[in-house]
Amino acid sequence: DAKTTQPNSMESNEEEPVHLPCNHSTISGTDYIHWYRQLPSQGPEYVIHGLTSNVNNRMASLAIAEDRKSSTLILHRATLRDAAVYYCILRGSNYQLIWGAGTKLIIKP
Amino acid sequence: GAGVSQSPRYKVAKRGQDVALRCDPISGHVSLFWYQQALGQGPEFLTYFQNEAQLDKSGLPSDRFFAERPEGSVSTLKIQRTQQEDSAVYLCASSPRGPSNQPQHFGDGTRLSIL
Repeated sequence: DAKTTQPNSMESNEEEPVHLPCNHSTISGTDYIHWYRQLPSQGPEYVIHGLTSNVNNRMASLAIAEDRKSSTLILHRATLRDAAVYYCILRGSNYQLIWGAGTKLIIKP
Repeated sequence: GAGVSQSPRYKVAKRGQDVALRCDPISGHVSLFWYQQALGQGPEFLTYFQNEAQLDKSGLPSDRFFAERPEGSVSTLKIQRTQQEDSAVYLCASSPRGPSNQPQHFGDGTRLSIL
């Protein structure tokens, strides 16, 4: 399975945009890019996913590089409730989600 | 609507005891997954059910781990003769259809501590 690389942690100020990077240089043509987040003491929560084109939903935006070897999750206006560990995952035809260590996002008031 | 429910939320057991962890998926969801999450790490896949059929149990760490979903809804993860290394959060997730790119919906997990 293709792997992803994310920074261990990031800090951002409340009410500012946050850009969370993810590298996936070994991505295959059929791999989707999924993002989940996990708040303290809770189960993971789906955020967004995409294949080639940029995607937007009510929670976030996903910007995918043209060569698909990297992507960025964008939170347009971070709040304290967005403090969580964010996981970038590649998912192909296999239903398994292969999780890394994720990025711990710290929001400063 | 009701999400994925797991019980108990916390379980403490002595080494060597058997434990059973329950997962109630979202009603009508075909796929059900179990994951194990150690402290500070991402979840690791344990096993996958499509309805009542256990299609993949490749992630179960040993034959002490057993999962079932007899009627295609509620699932139970059983761990026999527990060891200290079994201490972790056990997460259950479900999704509406079979293998696909649909999101998985997670419960809040059972935190298992083996003394």
